Amino acid sequence: DADVTQTPRNRITKTGKRIMLECSQTKGHDRMYWYRQDPGLGLRLIYYSFDVKDINKGEISDGYSVSRQAQAKFSLSLESAIPNQTALYFCATSDSQEDAGRPTDTQYFGPGTRLTVL
Amino acid sequence: RKEVEQDPGPFNVPEGATVAFNCTYSNSASQSFFWYRQDCRKEPKLLMSVYSSGNEDGRFTAQLNRASQYISLLIRDSKLSDSATYLCVVNIPSSASKIIFGSGTRLSIRP
Repeated sequence: DADVTQTPRNRITKTGKRIMLECSQTKGHDRMYWYRQDPGLGLRLIYYSFDVKDINKGEISDGYSVSRQAQAKFSLSLESAIPNQTALYFCATSDSQEDAGRPTDTQYFGPGTRLTVL
Repeated sequence: RKEVEQDPGPFNVPEGATVAFNCTYSNSASQSFFWYRQDCRKEPKLLMSVYSSGNEDGRFTAQLNRASQYISLLIRDSKLSDSATYLCVVNIPSSASKIIFGSGTRLSIRP
């Protein structure tokens, strides 16, 4: 079984609809992240959470919200989807490890959700 | 200027060739460095961490140059299965975004 799962894997929706993307992990990691990937722009961080009571905005949080329901679950919502939110969305987890005193935050990604907003 | 910059490629090289990618970063507070590999339409996966002294994992060698703020990845004896996009990743603990991904370098190995 995959350690990080995302649902749905593909979604086509219309402008103005509310969409929720779900992420679950069995790795036991404290830290969870949501990214979006667009061609030529790489991955950009939307939100991240270092534990259940911790939510932080990333680089591009406008138009998105998140909920950390439990250590293993982190969901991303688009309250009113717009076409420029069409992208590939990845959830990731990391453990707060250190290597020689430096944080590593190795990211473990889910398989991605391809979202199309018409 | 982007915080992490990579040559997007594509690099198209014959099987068995040696290929090298560079990645530059702008924030001197960066503490951890990584190379990830991403296959088409798949999730990124960690290829290797990059240590100050340089490190090697089979055919792959990673180097860090803090003075010039770049990291490199060398692939020797390239295989068809090495075809992928290689992402440079930098961890900046003092930054709100924490972890910055480069936009990737596309590598295509031809028979």
